[in-house]
Order: sequence, then C-alpha cells, then structure tokens
Amino acid sequence: KAGVTQTPRYLIKTRGQQVTLSCSPISGHRSVSWYQQTPGQGLQFLFEYFSETQRNKGNFPGRFSGRQFSNSRSEMNVSTLELGDSALYLCASSLSGGQNTEAFFGQGTRLTVV
Amino acid sequence: SQKIEQNSEALNIQEGKTATLTCNYTNYSPAYLQWYRQDPGRGPVFLLLIRENEKEKRKERLKVTFDTTLKQSLFHITASQPADSATYLCASRADSNYQLIWGAGTKLIIKP
Repeated sequence: KAGVTQTPRYLIKTRGQQVTLSCSPISGHRSVSWYQQTPGQGLQFLFEYFSETQRNKGNFPGRFSGRQFSNSRSEMNVSTLELGDSALYLCASSLSGGQNTEAFFGQGTRLTVV
Repeated sequence: SQKIEQNSEALNIQEGKTATLTCNYTNYSPAYLQWYRQDPGRGPVFLLLIRENEKEKRKERLKVTFDTTLKQSLFHITASQPADSATYLCASRADSNYQLIWGAGTKLIIKP
C-alpha cells in the first residue's frame, strides 16, 4: 500500500510570506502528526490531528497551524515566515495513535526561508 | 514531565562488532517502547516495538530489551555493517494523551 506522501518536497520562501504543506497519510490511518527538524536536532513536535480534531499540540507559536480533512489528509500552515523556520518538516501517520501503534513518516518537506 | 533520553554523542563501532544504544525514560512508565532509524534528510523508519512485559524482542540482526526496573531500553545491532550507520531514535507514547515522546537520537557510525 502507498506510504505517507508529503508535498512539496522542497520549498523556498521569503521572510514574511506564508506557506502550506500537505500530508496524505496511509489509507485507513486516522492520526497525523507534524514535526519540525533542524540540522543536528531531534524531532520537535508541532501538533497531532485525529479524526479532524487537534488532539495534541507542541510548544510552537501561533504562526504554526494545521488542520485535517475528513479523508485524513492534513495540511500545515506557517504564516509570517522567519529565517529560523527553515527546517525539514515531517508528517507521520498512524492507525489510531494508540499505545502500541507505530508511526509511518513521509519523506518530509525541506523548507528554506531566505 | 515525561522524558526520553538517549546518548547524544555519536557512537563509533568497528564493522562486525555489536552496537548497543541506550534509551532511558523518566517520570512515566510506558507500556511500549519503539525504535526507529533515520537517515540524513529523510523521515524516521520504524524498526521494532517492545511491550513492557517482553524482556527482549528480535528482528534479524536487531535486538531490543526493556528493563522496567532500570527504566531503560537497549537496542543492539549484531554483526554491524557500514550500511547500519544512521541515527537511531527511541520513542514511546505518553500515558495521558498518547502523544509520541521522542529521544534526541544517537548517531551510530560503523567503520569498515
């Protein structure tokens, strides 16, 4: 079956602009989580959506937002981009997000803010 | 707060030897621990999941242990190969909200 698909793979934006990233989870997966990863850093949790509702949220400013659609596809939006937002953004889906469910990651979107 | 800690220093191992990575958790008692592999510029890939009542779990050259007394999981790669070089991440879901909590990862370098 198809894996997690993130689009676009690469993106270059200017400071102050806004950006929308997309994630299509594995079919049947209802939980989608987003992470930010900068070079040499671990995974920084942004938020998780389950059945169109935000279930968990990390410690990121309000410029970072997301949503999930009825088909479980998810989008993440960053407004008023800053240079420090340059990072690899990863999306992960899991069946239910329950205790014993693993996460399946997409290839990521590499965002560069100039 | 619930935390997972991994040795942030890179681990250098000679090819053919066994690599052992450590994952410690604090302030909670996870029912499961998960291990992932991440290559540069790519998303993590799930490797193994172990339950708290399983002492160890194996998959090919990989072995994971779960010690609830020490609050620790060990990840072993036997007969290591240069292709095993990557960052290995430990994770588990929080008690209350099932959010995945991640360690910072340990970079493993296998030298030929």
